[in-house]
Amino acid sequence: AQTVTQSQPEMSVQEAETVTLSCTYDTSESDYYLFWYKQPPSRQMILVIRQEAYKQQNATENRFSVNFQKAAKSFSLKISDSQLGDAAMYFCAYRSAGNQFYFGTGTSLTVIP
Amino acid sequence: DAGITQSPRHKVTETGTPVTLRCHQTENHRYMYWYRQDPGHGLRLIHYSYGVKDTDKGEVSDGYSVSRSKTEDFLLTLESATSSQTSVYFCAIRGTSGGGFYEQYFGPGTRLTVT
Repeated sequence: AQTVTQSQPEMSVQEAETVTLSCTYDTSESDYYLFWYKQPPSRQMILVIRQEAYKQQNATENRFSVNFQKAAKSFSLKISDSQLGDAAMYFCAYRSAGNQFYFGTGTSLTVIP
Repeated sequence: DAGITQSPRHKVTETGTPVTLRCHQTENHRYMYWYRQDPGHGLRLIHYSYGVKDTDKGEVSDGYSVSRSKTEDFLLTLESATSSQTSVYFCAIRGTSGGGFYEQYFGPGTRLTVT
């Protein structure tokens, strides 16, 4: 089974600054998809951004962007101009060719006013 | 919002009692999933369904069963609840936005406490 590792259990960032959350994964597949989900205190899981493994270009969604390094099996999330509403748990996820999802253990992000 | 509801949203039950959690979706999605979320483990797949009466096991299926008698409902049953099943349970559907992503969209979760 694939494994997804988020090595930073907690991170903090000053409001308006930039923060990067790390994610690495282990796979032997060449075709797969990667995702970042946000879970605010409401507990709702919200899709933030997604990336196809065979696309070199890094995905961007407004203030959120990824740094996808396929050879290194790394998929980090960058949040620019951090806002108080960005405070949440962030989960990295891998979808295999067999359509199974594997989630990391999460990074808790605190935004400091 | 993918039109997913879960019921109940909170439940406290005693060890040894049966518990059924319901997931309901309104958009005719074929694939539905049950996950549990525990600190230090992220989300782990319990069971999933790829159609009416078609289900399969996930990573942590022991102690759980599922049923899907109609497209819109996916039930998760704990036959005899144990304290180790205290968790937050999420239902999810497979998205159909195209591009091969098949991203998952989640319900609001059910917090289950087994005493």
